[in-house]
Amino acid sequence: DVKVTQSSRYLVKRTGEKVFLECVQDMDHENMFWYRQDPGLGLRLIYFSYDVKMKEKGDIPEGYSVSREKKERFSLILESASTNQTSMYLCATQVVSGELFFGEGSRLTVL
Amino acid sequence: GENVEQHPSTLSVQEGDSAVIKCTYSDSASNYFPWYKQELGKRPQLIIDIRSNVGEKKDQRIAVTLNKTAKHFSLHITETQPEDSAVYFCAAFYTGGFKTIFGAGTRLFVKA
Repeated sequence: DVKVTQSSRYLVKRTGEKVFLECVQDMDHENMFWYRQDPGLGLRLIYFSYDVKMKEKGDIPEGYSVSREKKERFSLILESASTNQTSMYLCATQVVSGELFFGEGSRLTVL
Repeated sequence: GENVEQHPSTLSVQEGDSAVIKCTYSDSASNYFPWYKQELGKRPQLIIDIRSNVGEKKDQRIAVTLNKTAKHFSLHITETQPEDSAVYFCAAFYTGGFKTIFGAGTRLFVKA
């Protein structure tokens, strides 16, 4: 079974704090993604990576950055958290067929 | 840009009835159409998918249909059960690219 692990299930941060969300996969998949899930808006792509040190902006990259130093680890960074970044964040890996495998999600609240 | 429209946003059915969720995609290059189910508090998981060279696919109580000309695809759940209650997302993907485009989701309630 593919395992995608997000290090934090629930986080509460203050406005202006730097936030790191970590994602680790155990299947040697090339492609990794960070999505944001909000009610009524579905899953929106923030950033993705198709190889170590490679990254591409998704549809809503503003206010976020990412890091992929190792193939198995893809981190999402909020340089200065804001209240409108309160959301559920989902990491995913992808196989060649196109199927996505998601982590359990990280629910972030910014006060 | 590319988008996927999904309807309805909420669907309530009696146990045993059928449920249908419909999606429309904009990118004619899309050739892979997965459906993900997300139960409350859990991760989205693939339940069925269809590729552009197939018009219909069935797996027990669930089926998907694809109309490439109209850029429509649909999920059909027959004999619904309470455990079918979840949020369902349709999506479109082009296997030569990277981005999967998701619909906004349908919250399905199955009343016992």
